[in-house]
Amino acid sequence: DQQVKQNSPSLSVQEGRISILNCDYTNSMFDYFLWYKKYPAEGPTFLISISSIKDKNEDGRFTVFLNKSAKHLSLHIVPSQPGDSAVYFCAIHRGADGLTFGKGTHLIIQP
Amino acid sequence: NAGVTQTPKFRVLKTGQSMTLLCAQDMNHEYMYWYRQDPGMGLRLIHYSVGEGTTAKGEVPDGYNVSRLKKQNFLLGLESAAPSQTSVYFCASSYLRTSTDTQYFGPGTRLTVL
Repeated sequence: DQQVKQNSPSLSVQEGRISILNCDYTNSMFDYFLWYKKYPAEGPTFLISISSIKDKNEDGRFTVFLNKSAKHLSLHIVPSQPGDSAVYFCAIHRGADGLTFGKGTHLIIQP
Repeated sequence: NAGVTQTPKFRVLKTGQSMTLLCAQDMNHEYMYWYRQDPGMGLRLIHYSVGEGTTAKGEVPDGYNVSRLKKQNFLLGLESAAPSQTSVYFCASSYLRTSTDTQYFGPGTRLTVL
């Protein structure tokens, strides 16, 4: 059973607009959430994270929102740039058991 | 500072052959991990290590063995490769195992088993 769900395999957004990537999780005990970005033929790179004691975390153009009651988090990218085209993975940190990843969303930024 | 490196980048094996994937990190990290990624899937944890000389099973450990003889190296072995092990393998490392510590990933090894 998937513990982390990213229901949109792909998303196309115009350059300069907002990109919103969504992620749902099943277990309310999870307390630390991360977003990783992955380019083709490269390993994932850490983008931004959020602890369950917060509902928002910002880093430049990237903001992650956490809705604990809905078990939902989202990543907002504003404004979207061509270099943001990549696969984005939502992940939960399971302590001793490493990270559990969603299936990813392929973000395509169109000029 | 190379970060996390993986050797080889690509490999093709025949069913039943064996091979070892090498992961090296130069960040003095205690924790190291092996993941696999299959098409349309997220990364899944195979094995991990919390320090030199230690290993533990992850989510999908069957068919793999690992060793951590030196702190900077984490080896993933396939004793008898099967087509189901065709995948991209990623190694990662982190300084601590706490929830706030970032895992740094290598560039991956693409393995095809015929």
